[in-house]
Amino acid sequence: DTAVSQTPKYLVTQMGNDKSIKCEQNLGHDTMYWYKQDSKKFLKIMFSYNNKELIINETVPNRFSPKSPDKAHLNLHINSLELGDSAVYFCASTPSGLAGGQQYFGPGTRLTVT
Amino acid sequence: AQSVTQLGSHVSVSEGALVLLRCNYSSSVPPYLFWYVQYPNQGLQLLLKYTSAATLVKGINGFEAEFKKSETSFHLTKPSAHMSDAAEYFCAVSEGGGSQGNLIFGKGTKLSVKP
Repeated sequence: DTAVSQTPKYLVTQMGNDKSIKCEQNLGHDTMYWYKQDSKKFLKIMFSYNNKELIINETVPNRFSPKSPDKAHLNLHINSLELGDSAVYFCASTPSGLAGGQQYFGPGTRLTVT
Repeated sequence: AQSVTQLGSHVSVSEGALVLLRCNYSSSVPPYLFWYVQYPNQGLQLLLKYTSAATLVKGINGFEAEFKKSETSFHLTKPSAHMSDAAEYFCAVSEGGGSQGNLIFGKGTKLSVKP
């Protein structure tokens, strides 16, 4: 009965590869996010989707492409992986996306690019 | 643009001592403020949040925070630290004037608790 789940938990791959991280929430929330946490633990928003529509797209390289097949899923596809993409990626969801709403975070996916 | 500053990347206290983690924010609109905790190799868990109701907010695990507009601060406190409180703590502000909910995080404060 996990609220926000991510797969895989760990991902080790080589530079230049393409990989995807999946996120699912069973909370019935309308809004989902992707955050990146770097090696210094700094968390930064990457994308936000509300009801399958892109709301926020921060200054993220276009090698990163989120896809939301339905409002319960928000996947992150990364093309041509680079060393600097190594980080922990967190998915989160919230009921409506309005400021002030609690966000529920997944356990994270640790991506290591070699 | 909104921002969050957490003073002290690492705070160490003895078990039973007061915990004080500092957070200052910058916002041009009334902010929504949050404290999240991250235990090793885990995701983030909400401790408490301020959404313009009471200025003293009580959260889980005995933590509380006070919103002080005049000081633009939202410091996190706990009267008596437990070993299980050792974790990374993040202060965050909600961006936007009510239309967006993404969080702007501070750089985090690692709390160590000594026996």
